[in-house]
Amino acid sequence: DIQMTQSPSSLSASVGDRVTITCRASQGVSTYLAWFQQKPGKAPKSLIYAASSLQSGVPSRFSGSGSGTDFTLTISSLQPEDFATYYCQQYISYPPSFGQGTKVEIK
Amino acid sequence: QVQLEESGGGVVQPGRSLRLSCEASGFTFSSYSMHWVRQAPGTRPEWVAVISYDGANDYYAESVRGRFTISRDNSKNTLYLQMDSLTAEDTAMYYCARDPTSRGARPTFVYWGQGTLVTVSS
Repeated sequence: DIQMTQSPSSLSASVGDRVTITCRASQGVSTYLAWFQQKPGKAPKSLIYAASSLQSGVPSRFSGSGSGTDFTLTISSLQPEDFATYYCQQYISYPPSFGQGTKVEIK
Repeated sequence: QVQLEESGGGVVQPGRSLRLSCEASGFTFSSYSMHWVRQAPGTRPEWVAVISYDGANDYYAESVRGRFTISRDNSKNTLYLQMDSLTAEDTAMYYCARDPTSRGARPTFVYWGQGTLVTVSS
C-alpha cells in the first residue's frame, strides 16, 4: 500500500498570507493526486485533482503542483473561509490513501 | 446539483449488523462507480469499498473484507453498505462518495454526502 505523508501537521497563518502544504508519497503516483478541504463537522470537499487541476467552483487562489512522489498545495492569499484541515490523496492504485492532514489555523 | 444523502447509522453492539444507504440525485447514478469512505474522530479519511457503475465489480479495504458488502440499486439511485460483525474499530462517520468514472480504475472522490455516524459500543 502507498503511504501519504503531509507536512506540516498544523500551521498558524494570518489572512492574506501565502500558505504551502507539502505531501509526499511512499512510491511514485504520477499525477494521480487529489487535495481535499474539510471544515469541522463537514464532509471533505474536493479542491484539486490530477495534482494541479482545480475542481469547478474552487477559487483560483488555490493551486497544486508536483508529480511522482512530491506535491504541494498553495493558497496564494489566505481568506477567513480557508481555515480548515487539508488532506492529500493518491489514486494511482487501490487502496486509495490519504495523508494525515494539515490543520490551518488563525494566527 | 449533485446530492448524496446517507442514512442508517446509529449505535450498535459489537458483533451486530447495520445497513447504510445513500440516495443519489442530480446526476446519472448508473453511470458512475461509487465508494464508501469512513472517518473516525480526529483521524484521516479511510477508504472502505467501491462498486462499479453496473454493480458487476466491487473491492474492499482489507480491514472490512469479508464483513462488509457494498451494493447498489440503479433503479432506485441508491447505494448500500451492509456491515456485519461490527467491532469498536468500525466506529466512524461513513460517507458515500462519487467516483469521476464508471469503472473506478483510479479511485478518487469528486462529491461526498454529509455522512452518517456509526457507533459500535456495548
